[in-house]
Formats: sequence, structure tokens, C-alpha cells
Amino acid sequence: NAGVTQTPKFQVLKTGQSMTLQCAQDMNHNSMYWYRQDPGMGLRLIYYSASEGTTDKGEVPNGYNVSRLNKREFSLRLESAAPSQTSVYFCASSEGTRTDHETQYFGPGTRLLVL
Amino acid sequence: SQKIEQNSEALNIQEGKTATLTCNYTNYSPAYLQWYRQDPGRGPVFLLLIRENEKEKRKERLKVTFDTTLKQSLFHITASQPADSATYLCAHRYSSASKIIFGSGTRLSIRP
Repeated sequence: NAGVTQTPKFQVLKTGQSMTLQCAQDMNHNSMYWYRQDPGMGLRLIYYSASEGTTDKGEVPNGYNVSRLNKREFSLRLESAAPSQTSVYFCASSEGTRTDHETQYFGPGTRLLVL
Repeated sequence: SQKIEQNSEALNIQEGKTATLTCNYTNYSPAYLQWYRQDPGRGPVFLLLIRENEKEKRKERLKVTFDTTLKQSLFHITASQPADSATYLCAHRYSSASKIIFGSGTRLSIRP
């Protein structure tokens, strides 16, 4: 049982390049989330998916798109990376179909540097 | 707007003492508060949840209190150990319709 896995662990991009961050969970959870974490800012929600086939914007969605590929996988895409998107990105999942379900399980994070 | 605040300054505690971390919220009463632990280079790990109708919750050496009058949650680690050194995050949900919001975390260092 791997929990929540993320790939890649680390990525360097040039401004304007695109990339997709991958996330998968093996806990049969319904809800999945993407956060970014910046120094002094805490975790900020980018997008979330309360169930397979649905996605909704979080606090900071601009510049990102997501795909809930199936119940296990939730990807985050940067179409045209900007230096302001340099951050650590965390994927998380929770059991319920409502995004207010209690416990979130986090992946190890992807460290992204945009030059 | 909903806001959740944690002391951004690091907390340094002597081993064996009780560490107390604070989480304050404004403008509303959250339905519940969660506490997570985050180690450097890793994702947060859930520790405890306390609901608005609960005053206290315990788990081993951990204790969380919820004071709706003071709009504050306190997180205690008793008999602290160097292995407890980490950043601790609080999180809340304002209502059933809102999303979870995280504080920026407090870094705790336990010195031997």
C-alpha cells in the first residue's frame, strides 16, 4: 500500500514550458486535491476533485489545469510555466465524496523550479 | 474572510517539557480543526481532529483543545522528545460548503 505517490520528485523548467505533474492513490479514496506550498504562505489549494469525473477550482487556480483521469489518478498541468509557479506541489486524497471529509493523506511532493 | 493564523516564529523547547502551539481563527467558527505534522522535504501527516462541540481530544502524548470563545486551538506535546521536532500545521473547514484552509505552520525544535 503506497498511499499517495507523485512524479516527478523534482523538475526544472524554463519560462513558457509546459509540464504535467502526476498523482496516484491506492486507498480507493473519492476526493483528491492539489496544493502548492510556498515559504510563509502555508498550503494553498489549487484544484480539487470530489469524485471521478468532477473537478473544481480552489484558492489559486490561475495558470493550472487538472484532469481526474480515473478514481486513482489526478494530474496537474502547467501550460506555460512562469517563475511565480516555482513552489512545492502536494497532491492529497481523502475518503469521502465531499471535500469536507476529515483526514487528508498527502504525497511526498514535487519541487518545481521555473527559471 | 476566513483566516487561520499560527505563530510564524519557531518554538524551541527543552526535551521533556510540554510544547504548546497556537492556532487562531477569525470572523467565524469552524466546524472542526485539524492538526498535521510536516517534516522537511515531506508531505503533511494528519495527527488529530477536534470538532466544534469538543473541548479536548487526546492521542498518546498529544492533546488538542478548542476554545470557541477565544477562537483558538492549542496543540500540546507532553514529555517532548527531539523526534517531535517538525513543523505543525493547523487546518480548518468553515462550513460544509467550504474547503479546508491551512495555516502557515509553526516550526518546533526540541533540544536534548
